[in-house]
Amino acid sequence: EDKVVQSPLSLVVHEGDTVTLNCSYEVTNFRSLLWYKQEKKAPTFLFMLTSSGIEKKSGRLSSILDKKELFSILNITATQTGDSAIYLCAVVYNTDKLIFGTGTRLQVFP
Amino acid sequence: NAGVTQTPKFRILKIGQSMTLQCTQDMNHNYMYWYRQDPGMGLKLIYYSVGAGITDKGEVPNGYNVSRSTTEDFPLRLELAAPSQTSVYFCASSYGWGAEAFFGQGTRLTVV
Repeated sequence: EDKVVQSPLSLVVHEGDTVTLNCSYEVTNFRSLLWYKQEKKAPTFLFMLTSSGIEKKSGRLSSILDKKELFSILNITATQTGDSAIYLCAVVYNTDKLIFGTGTRLQVFP
Repeated sequence: NAGVTQTPKFRILKIGQSMTLQCTQDMNHNYMYWYRQDPGMGLKLIYYSVGAGITDKGEVPNGYNVSRSTTEDFPLRLELAAPSQTSVYFCASSYGWGAEAFFGQGTRLTVV
């Protein structure tokens, strides 16, 4: 069965900490992996990864994909309270399939 | 710059009632999607469309119907609402399958 698993489910940290969120997948004919941030309402796009080993970076956020081990990580350095959100991972596979993971809820306290 | 617009934002339905969730996008995207998100869960794909006149089922299509008569609009119809359809519904669009998706602000639906 095709699946996407995110871990941890929930994470509580203090401002300034560095966090690593994980997304592992088991799908046929992998095409790409996307990360989204969901605050109060709609998810917003962070990264799309298609190739192994190439880090995508945006400010304090970075992400990398390992297609051999079938996972991706999302790193957030020097966390701020504004980073508090649910982080969703989605995997695109075959020609017309897409699955979201259940998300990691990150809470950053001052 | 409107992006993806969903209406209504909130709705309460009685069991057995019907309603249509409206979604429109102004980015000329061919791909449009409807998702539902239950508490503590990720997004589940209900239906999607790859262009006007073409729709297809996602993971959880039962109890829903869609149409795509124009590039801009992708309404989701609930017939005979059931408590299991209580959820937050998101419409999204993208320029390609699996590309960066732009989401509407969501519709919180409660069926009682």
